[in-house]
Amino acid sequence: GAGVSQSPSNKVTEKGKDVELRCDPISGHTALYWYRQSLGQGLEFLIYFQGNSAPDKSGLPSDRFSAERTGGSVSTLTIQRTQQEDSAVYLCASSLWGSASDTQYFGPGTRLTVL
Amino acid sequence: GEDVEQSLFLSVREGDSSVINCTYTDSSSTYLYWYKQEPGAGLQLLTYIFSNMDMKQDQRLTVLLNKKDKHLSLRIADTQTGDSAIYFCAEIRNSGYALNFGKGTSLLVTP
Repeated sequence: GAGVSQSPSNKVTEKGKDVELRCDPISGHTALYWYRQSLGQGLEFLIYFQGNSAPDKSGLPSDRFSAERTGGSVSTLTIQRTQQEDSAVYLCASSLWGSASDTQYFGPGTRLTVL
Repeated sequence: GEDVEQSLFLSVREGDSSVINCTYTDSSSTYLYWYKQEPGAGLQLLTYIFSNMDMKQDQRLTVLLNKKDKHLSLRIADTQTGDSAIYFCAEIRNSGYALNFGKGTSLLVTP
């Protein structure tokens, strides 16, 4: 596609419910990243996928967070038993190869509100 | 990113130059980026500089890198009201891939 797309753009959920956030990277990009933007913490790295390699999950804040990437393309970030502190904008990015010199292109984000 | 610091707010008049500053602490940072975020939008890559460069110019944008002081700046010439946004400085450390962001500088351009 022309750019990284994310859905939904907004999600309001109740505390304790599970949510799934979707990311469609730029066609041909092998690397995919999830970041979280919140008022208190700024922009934080969550998880990184590159090709068929095992993902780097070092940024996930708790075991309630998980992500998968199917067929090397679309990714889903799942948050189980959501808490109010999970409220944030979740940003997805993709890059061609995932190296340090690669430019990361960001999607518009999903704004998650946990009531 | 606690290792990347920026001032939080800058206000300039339309037509003036804006200078947004950023400091980082990791000497292994080899790639430094500037992203722009407009209200309700995602991050837009503005420009980047590699650590073996001192300066990069791209139309109205000039990036200066002082590796000795670990200081990065973004100068926007002839600032317009459409430049009002939050500007994020970000680093990638050598052999890394995750962007480490500053908290962002909110630029307000007044007529």
